[in-house]
Amino acid sequence: AQKVTQAQTEISVVEKEDVTLDCVYETRDTTYYLFWYKQPPSGELVFLIRRNSFDEQNEISGRYSWNFQKSTSSFNFTITASQVVDSAVYFCALSEAVGGKLIFGQGTELSVKP
Amino acid sequence: KAGVTQTPRYLIKTRGQQVTLSCSPISGHRSVSWYQQTPGQGLQFLFEYFSETQRNKGNFPGRFSGRQFSNSRSEMNVSTLELGDSALYLCASSLAQREEGWELFFGEGSRLTVL
Repeated sequence: AQKVTQAQTEISVVEKEDVTLDCVYETRDTTYYLFWYKQPPSGELVFLIRRNSFDEQNEISGRYSWNFQKSTSSFNFTITASQVVDSAVYFCALSEAVGGKLIFGQGTELSVKP
Repeated sequence: KAGVTQTPRYLIKTRGQQVTLSCSPISGHRSVSWYQQTPGQGLQFLFEYFSETQRNKGNFPGRFSGRQFSNSRSEMNVSTLELGDSALYLCASSLAQREEGWELFFGEGSRLTVL
């Protein structure tokens, strides 16, 4: 069965701190896709990254970085030097095929205080 | 280019009524998916349409249905509304082609309140 677990329900940090959001997934497929989305108060889910199961290279995009480790079934997301605008709910998701069916974790609400 | 557009943004219904929500995907996107988001259950997949055909379906009762038109616009319908159907309904569109990259782009959602 497919499952995504985001054990951290809420995280609160002070601006400029680094913060890591954890994501652990379960799947029996050898080919799968992992995602991170950001949901600001407006409600729209904003795409951040997609990672294919056969590409374990870590990725950095500005202050954002992602650590994909198949050995531990984890796909963690780090924000460096957090800013107030980073405050949102962040979702990790899994898909076993190309298409619109994603399995989402429960989300981590990040609050960055000035 | 324009993003995913959902209408209406907010609506209030009473138990037993039915509701229709609309989604216009990004131009060129042929896949439209629907999700329900509630505080208790989180984000749950409802169904996906591709080229007017339902390609995938989540674990929701038959009261939840959808369709897609030839211009890729999609509607979802919920009949005999229950209090538990109160939720944010999110629509997402994508190219759904492996080679192109197929991220889901979401709309801002339709917030349904059932009284």
